[in-house]
Parts: sequence; C-alpha cells; structure tokens
Amino acid sequence: NAGVTQTPKFQVLKTGQSMTLQCAQDMNHEYMSWYRQDPGMGLRLIHYSVGAGITDQGEVPNGYNVSRSTTEDFPLRLLSAAPSQTSVYFCASRNPLAYEQYFGPGTRLTVT
Amino acid sequence: LAKTTQPISMDSYEGQEVNITCSHNNIATNDYITWYQQFPSQGPRFIIQGYKTKVTNEVASLFIPADRKSSTLSLPRVSLSDTAVYYCLVVGQAGNMLTFGGGTRLMVKP
Repeated sequence: NAGVTQTPKFQVLKTGQSMTLQCAQDMNHEYMSWYRQDPGMGLRLIHYSVGAGITDQGEVPNGYNVSRSTTEDFPLRLLSAAPSQTSVYFCASRNPLAYEQYFGPGTRLTVT
Repeated sequence: LAKTTQPISMDSYEGQEVNITCSHNNIATNDYITWYQQFPSQGPRFIIQGYKTKVTNEVASLFIPADRKSSTLSLPRVSLSDTAVYYCLVVGQAGNMLTFGGGTRLMVKP
C-alpha cells in the first residue's frame, strides 16, 4: 500500500494563477480531508468528504474547491491563488469505522 | 464544535515521563479523542485514541477522566527522537472532521 500520496511536493504560483493539488489513497477509505498548515501553526481544515460525490466545508474553505468523483481521489483546486494561501497542504483519509487519520507527505505551496 | 486547548510548549529531559494535557470542554457524547505526533516537514502521525478511562499502546498512554472534558497523553521515558509537536483532536461520528488545535511543542533535552 502506498497509503496517501500527494502531488506535487513543491509548487510556486504567481498571484491569480489556478492549480490543482492532487491527493490519492489506496486504502479504500471513504473519508478524506484537506488541511493547511501555516508556519509554526496547527492544521486547519479546508474541506472534507465522507464519500464519493459528497463534500463539505471545513474551517477555512474560501478560495478552494474540491470534488470527489471516486473513492480514491480528492483533488483540491485553488481558483485564483493569493499570497495568503502560501502554506503546506496535507491530505488525509480514514475508515469511517475507525478514528485514525492517515496523512500524506504534504505539498508546500508558495504564492508570490 | 469541540475546540481543544493545549499548552503551547513543554521541555523535558531524556528518560523522563512527559504528560501533555488537552482540554475539550464541549466534547459530544459520541466523540473520540485522538492524539497525533508531527515532525518538521512531515504529515501528522496517529499515536493513540480513546473514549474514556485509560488506553495504552506500545508508544503512549491516554488518560481520560469520567467527565471527558480533558485528556492526558503520557509518554514514558522520552528520548531525543520524541521532540515533536503533539496534537489532540476530537473526532465525531458521520465524518465530522474537527480542526486540530495549535498543538504542544515538546523539546526533549539530553
């Protein structure tokens, strides 16, 4: 099992550009989430999904879109990048019958 | 939503037992308490979970009082490699993913 994978590992964007952060898991987990972590801070929930076709907003959803067309994939789209979105982004998944979340290695995003 | 509060930082020495307490006053009946460890430039790693009383695994123990408004993560005989940030997270049913608190930065000194 690869677990939770994220691509790219690093990305630099200019203000106003859009991009998609990819997240995939091979554990057949129904629940998936996106978090952002600013330097020296804790993780903040952006969006989450409890299954294919179902998504919901977390604490800081503005400026981000998600979709869940398959169980395995949960991409995060930045619509128009802003410097305030400079952060490390983590994707996580879990089995709904358990409480342990599995995290990916993260994507470090810089918006100039 | 069950928000969590933890000390910002703690210092310890190798071989000591470390106890990190998390406050979650608004925890709901069906919520579980989970703890994670995070090293720099890595994603958080699950350590332990519990609902009430005491849970122990090969890494840590988790103590939860009867009112469940707080929990204490206990790390026995820490080593330098336990230097990390520790987060508690209250997780509810139906995929209610709650946001992590600020975490506790543990520094283990030789």
